[in-house]
Amino acid sequence: GESVGLHLPTLSVQEGDNSIINCAYSNSASDYFIWYKQESGKGPQFIIDIRSNMDKRQGQRVTVLLNKTVKHLSLQIAATQPGDSAVYFCAENSYQGGKLIFGQGTELSVKP
Amino acid sequence: ETGVTQSPTHLIKTRGQQVTLRCSSQSGHNTVSWYQQALGQGPQFIFQYYREEENGRGNFPPRFSGLQFPNYSSELNVNALELDDSALYLCASSLDGANYGYTFGSGTRLTVV
Repeated sequence: GESVGLHLPTLSVQEGDNSIINCAYSNSASDYFIWYKQESGKGPQFIIDIRSNMDKRQGQRVTVLLNKTVKHLSLQIAATQPGDSAVYFCAENSYQGGKLIFGQGTELSVKP
Repeated sequence: ETGVTQSPTHLIKTRGQQVTLRCSSQSGHNTVSWYQQALGQGPQFIFQYYREEENGRGNFPPRFSGLQFPNYSSELNVNALELDDSALYLCASSLDGANYGYTFGSGTRLTVV
């Protein structure tokens, strides 16, 4: 089945702390995963991606970890800033007609 | 390089009416995908258009239809609007039917009353 969120989990962190956002994906055959950031009134913005032949990938202040055994993704944000406040979605690819399947999203709130 | 643009940004329609939403893809992209995002949820795939043909469809009824034009822009049409169609409709462009390298637009907020 597809992942559909009904209630948005929230994560509240202090400015400067590290944030970890978790996601469970649904299809063990998926081979490409993406994290998106969505601010209010805007479309999803690409943060970082990872292919299934990797366990970890680092970007600027962000790291994505992939655990295929338990179908789990995480996004780590270092030194979280107020501008990081947004809803974060993980997405997995699907070869069913080129679609992405999105997770339920996590709302990150950064306290100054 | 221009990004993905969607119009209109907001729209209010009455139940039973029809609506057309428009999307211009990012320069160099030839594929357009449409997603519906209900409040508090992740985007749900509606369909994808590549080379002016539907290239995959999600679990949406036939009253959701689309078009892609030779310049790669696209339209999403919804007939017989229902209250549950109220959502943010997102367009994403990519290259060659891929579902990676997406660039999303800011969406059209549709309210059905």
